[in-house]
Amino acid sequence: AQRVTQPEKLLSVFKGAPVELKCNYSYSGSPELFWYVQYSRQRLQLLLRHISRESIKGFTADLNKGETSFHLKKPFAQEEDSAMYYCALSGLQGGSEKLVFGKGTKLTVNP
Amino acid sequence: DGGITQSPKYLFRKEGQNVTLSCEQNLNHDAMYWYRQDPGQGLRLIYYSQIVNDFQKGDIAEGYSVSREKKESFPLTVTSAQKNPTAFYLCASSHRGLRTEAFFGQGTRLTVV
Repeated sequence: AQRVTQPEKLLSVFKGAPVELKCNYSYSGSPELFWYVQYSRQRLQLLLRHISRESIKGFTADLNKGETSFHLKKPFAQEEDSAMYYCALSGLQGGSEKLVFGKGTKLTVNP
Repeated sequence: DGGITQSPKYLFRKEGQNVTLSCEQNLNHDAMYWYRQDPGQGLRLIYYSQIVNDFQKGDIAEGYSVSREKKESFPLTVTSAQKNPTAFYLCASSHRGLRTEAFFGQGTRLTVV
């Protein structure tokens, strides 16, 4: 079974501080992992995916298969980063492609 | 205007009534998903479909039903068997493939009184 765990419901940091949003997963196959973000009054949207190895809005995430983690990091948080962040895993179940999400972490960046 | 559209935005129903939530996309996506979003629970998968006339139960399918008669449409029916139907419902679509991006609708807030 696919499972995504985000241990922190809430995370609060000050502007300019580093931020790390934790994500752990459980999946028997080779996972495809994503971070999605939902800003206030906006649709849920893709932030980044592990396969791209890219940095979006200063955020990066590294897949650690040994620790089954995909933590999201940013060295210097900005107030506009305040949002709800969801880690997601795409995998095969019964031959079908299934996309599951964690419970989310609400990030607040204080001025 | 391309995208994924959910309607209505707000829906009120009496307890014991079935209600159908609409989800339409013109992105030519094969895959479509329904999620339920509750505070502190994140997004929980209700049903998903990879192709027309085929769909699978997600993690919390009890009390819900879907159909996929057209590629563009994936309506969700919340039946009277759903014990706690009041929630925010999100529909998403994507191309097939594990690495593809999912696009989300604006959501429907269902309140059962």
